Amino acid sequence: NAGVTQTPKFQVLKTGQSMTLQCAQDMNHNSMYWYRQDPGMGLRLIYYSASEGTTDKGEVPNGYNVSRLNKREFSLRLESAAPSQTSVYFCASSDRENGELFFGEGSRLTVL
Amino acid sequence: AQRVTQPEKLLSVFKGAPVELKCNYSYSGSPELFWYVQYSRQRLQLLLRHISRESIKGFTADLNKGETSFHLKKPFAQEEDSAMYYCALRKAPGTYKYIFGTGTRLKVLA
Repeated sequence: NAGVTQTPKFQVLKTGQSMTLQCAQDMNHNSMYWYRQDPGMGLRLIYYSASEGTTDKGEVPNGYNVSRLNKREFSLRLESAAPSQTSVYFCASSDRENGELFFGEGSRLTVL
Repeated sequence: AQRVTQPEKLLSVFKGAPVELKCNYSYSGSPELFWYVQYSRQRLQLLLRHISRESIKGFTADLNKGETSFHLKKPFAQEEDSAMYYCALRKAPGTYKYIFGTGTRLKVLA
């Protein structure tokens, strides 16, 4: 039982490059989330998916797109990376009723 | 706007001393409050939630609706408590969006 798995763990990009962060969960959760973690800013919600087939913007969606591929997978795409997107990205999932968020290990992204 | 405030970025205490990590929130409804913890090289994980009213690893937190606070307390800090602690709010049970505070790094000194 792996829980929430996200890849890659580390990535360095040049400004303007694109990339996709992948996330998968094996807990049969309906809800999935992408957060970014920045020093002094805490965790900020980028996008979330309440259930398969739906996605909604969080606090800081600009510059990102998401795809809820199926119930297990929720990907985050940076179409044209900017230095301001240098951050640690966390994927999470939850059972809506229970409410506990289960997090992945994080992906450290550096944009030069 | 809904907000979760953790006023201390860093809290240092000596082993065996009491610990209180502060969390204040602004929300007019009946939110659900959580404390999450991130130990070094580990995933962010749930520590406790106000609904369960449990004591986890010696930590407790009481929801004070009058003061809109959910402070995390432990009477005797241990070195293994050193970690990053986040307070989080969900607007109501069954809703999707969570709001996190900026986090407090707790350092327990030997």
